[in-house]
Amino acid sequence: NAGVTQTPKFQVLKTGQSMTLQCAQDMNHNSMYWYRQDPGMGLRLIYYSASEGTTDKGEVPNGYNVSRLNKREFSLRLESAAPSQTSVYFCASWGRGRLAGNNEQFFGPGTRLTVL
Amino acid sequence: SQQGEEDPQALSIQEGENATMNCSYKTSINNLQWYRQNSGRGLVHLILIRSNEREKHSGRLRVTLDTSKKSSSLLITASRAADTASYFCATLTSGTYKYIFGTGTRLKVLA
Repeated sequence: NAGVTQTPKFQVLKTGQSMTLQCAQDMNHNSMYWYRQDPGMGLRLIYYSASEGTTDKGEVPNGYNVSRLNKREFSLRLESAAPSQTSVYFCASWGRGRLAGNNEQFFGPGTRLTVL
Repeated sequence: SQQGEEDPQALSIQEGENATMNCSYKTSINNLQWYRQNSGRGLVHLILIRSNEREKHSGRLRVTLDTSKKSSSLLITASRAADTASYFCATLTSGTYKYIFGTGTRLKVLA
């Protein structure tokens, strides 16, 4: 019963390197999301997946790719990292919580990425 | 930018006072949610209001929604030092699964 998990927690890359951020949820939610949050700012939607097998661009998709591997997992890939991609990345899933009630977004703990 | 706006950007009040923060958005929405974020941590869901609702309460929280003005407000009554955090609104765009967040209000409650 981990909720939404993300790996890694921290990462430092050099400009031009690639990496994949992993996200998994165990709440059987259909929809999953990737956001970035720059210092002192709100979250901006990068990509989302309404259901397994579908992905859609959000507000700031350039420089990123995503894969909805299965219902549980949604990964974010940076093919050629740039300093402008230094940020905290949050994964989220949307659906009912364990105690039922309204649908809401559940967030992972975040990945702090620095690109030098 | 599709991002919503919140005001004020920062708010500092004394413990026991009420805190009001506002959110404006740009698209037609299905619902609007408020989240809290403690420094450096993930977001925690506070309350959801549907597009056909005008007001909702949960404990010390009161949310209003005016779809004609595309705006919402969050009132925290009898604030506590533990309420110190950033608060964000998020709208679910009608007909999609797309969530758009506001820019946030940083609330500081002084003991």
